[in-house]
Amino acid sequence: SAVISQKPSRDICQRGTSLTIQCQVDSQVTMMFWYRQQPGQSLTLIATANQGSEATYESGFVIDKFPISRPNLTFSTLTVSNMSPEDSSIYLCSVSGTSGTATYNEQFFGPGTRLTVL
Amino acid sequence: LAKTTQPISMDSYEGQEVNITCSHNNIATNDYITWYQQFPSQGPRFIIQGYKTKVTNEVASLFIPADRKSSTLSLPRVSLSDTAVYYCLVGPLGQGNLIFGKGTKLSVKP
Repeated sequence: SAVISQKPSRDICQRGTSLTIQCQVDSQVTMMFWYRQQPGQSLTLIATANQGSEATYESGFVIDKFPISRPNLTFSTLTVSNMSPEDSSIYLCSVSGTSGTATYNEQFFGPGTRLTVL
Repeated sequence: LAKTTQPISMDSYEGQEVNITCSHNNIATNDYITWYQQFPSQGPRFIIQGYKTKVTNEVASLFIPADRKSSTLSLPRVSLSDTAVYYCLVGPLGQGNLIFGKGTKLSVKP
């Protein structure tokens, strides 16, 4: 398994500003992902964070709006840029391919970051 | 990835067995069926995964018929703490980018 922490746990931001969310894992992992979950809704995948290269974005999400970094096998950041109230959501980090296992069958999720944009 | 359909919500009482069915008519040969549980204010948590027939662990059982076009998550003797949203996902192993459907909101009452 993997223990994932996210910072901040929540924030209230003004429109037009940017927020960087950090995701830290307690062990090396192969894959890291960022999801968004709007209130009362299901999860939507934003992108796959690739170590040493540009993230792979899903349809509807672009790098200029959601730049992602992944400098090593235990850490990633997601930035929500030029925020608007529509960006108010919970942002979750997840990982798979944990150290010591050869399986990618299970994903572990962080607790999420609750973002409110005024 | 195959699309899934689940009931939006279900109600149950403590001590009852709960069965949540998921339809996935377009499941591919190399697709597995995975269920996640999400409590309020938490990220989803893996419950169980299977390919065919029956899989059981300490939390739940997963029943998959021969045609694999549906699956049923069975929770034995639910308690209030089982109140959560349950998601059914279908895809190949190692498919990192999970596609979540709307899920089933289970409410367990005393």
